[in-house]
This record gives sequence, structure tokens and C-alpha cells, in this order.
Amino acid sequence: QGQLVESGGGVVQPGSSLRLSCEGSGFTFGSYAIHWVRQAPGRGLEWVAVLSFDGNHNFYADSVRGRFTVSRDNSKNTLFLQMDSLRPEDTAVYFCAKSDCSSLTCLFDVWGQGVKVTVSS
Amino acid sequence: SSVLTQPPSVSVAPGQTATITCGENTIGGNIVHWYQQRPGRAPVLVVFDDSVRPSGIPERFSGSNSGITATLTISRVEAGDEADYFCQVWDSSTENAEVFGGGTKLTVL
Repeated sequence: QGQLVESGGGVVQPGSSLRLSCEGSGFTFGSYAIHWVRQAPGRGLEWVAVLSFDGNHNFYADSVRGRFTVSRDNSKNTLFLQMDSLRPEDTAVYFCAKSDCSSLTCLFDVWGQGVKVTVSS
Repeated sequence: SSVLTQPPSVSVAPGQTATITCGENTIGGNIVHWYQQRPGRAPVLVVFDDSVRPSGIPERFSGSNSGITATLTISRVEAGDEADYFCQVWDSSTENAEVFGGGTKLTVL
């Protein structure tokens, strides 16, 4: 079924940048759209962004559009999330998740373990 | 109001049946998936396409969808079922549609 491993989290000041990575294994990475989902402390899951299998199509949540950029390097089985102009409300555990889609729906069948991002002065 | 409304908490005794709902007025005809998340862990898919169990998920977990409300039912609840449960839909026709419900904390008394 596969595995995803995130890295790159840390503690940064408001207005700073951070780049997260998500490396996949055990499945054909370049054949699947991969999403970023975050979870603020004590809160629920919030969908953040998705990048298509070929990197040609992306979508973002309103809360991050214009500040976050998702990209991928299929030769390295890796997805990236470039986070700029970070705000305290971006503090969360960030998960990458592989999606499995039909013509009617998409679900998330493989999740990474999550990486913590803290934005604080 | 949110399409993917979930009760914040549900409590049941061991051996009883837990029912977790998703959708207050309408689920909009969307197909619903359910995830279990234990503290400090990543979510795990427990029901997909409204009512299908992935391999490895106990038969005690089942799902249904009336088009108005989706329901996750956990029969013969065990202590290990205590977790947060999230419903999820994907509507690519609506930009920034909700993806996840707010989550329900299942407490096993």
C-alpha cells in the first residue's frame, strides 16, 4: 500500500518561510495526486493543498492560497510544501496523504506520520 | 451551516454500539469516507465509499449514507476504539468545498 514520510518541520518566527518534504515509497509515486492536510493543536483536520500526479494541477485552501506552494519531484518520489509569510495560525502538524480517486470521489488511503510546524515569536 | 457537521463527542460503554453522524441537513449526495485518529497518530481509513471496509478493519465498523446524513456505526465497542473519528467528502466541482467534518471524540466509558 505504501508509505509516506514527512520532514522539514520546526519552530519559526511569524513572516518566515519553511519547506516541508514528503517522500513516498512502496507505490508508484508519480501516478498519484498527493495532498497536504494539517491539524492545529487540539483541533480537527484541515485540508491544505493538492498537487496532481504530474504536477500540472494544484488547488489550495483559501487560508493558504498565495502563501503556500506545492511542488513535486517524481524522480525522487518527493512532494514539497513551500510555506511563506507564515502566521501563528499556521501552527499545526502537517500530514501528507496519498489520494485514491474515482470519477465520483477521492479518499486518502496512505498518510505520513506528520511533521510539526510552530510559528511563534 | 456546515454540510459535514459531526457531534463533538459520543460516549458508550464497552460492548455497546456507538453511532457517529455526519451531516446536519444534507450530505449533498456526496460519497463519504471515515477515518479513525488515535492521539498522536495519523488518521487511518476505516470506511470508504459510504459503507466499504478496507482490509484489516474489523467487521464491527460499518457505514451508511441516506443522502441527508452519513453514519459510522461501531458495534461491540472496545476500549481500543477510543479515538477521534472524521468524515470526509471530495467535491471537485466546488472550489474550496469542505473536505473534513469537525470530528467526533469517541469515549469508551
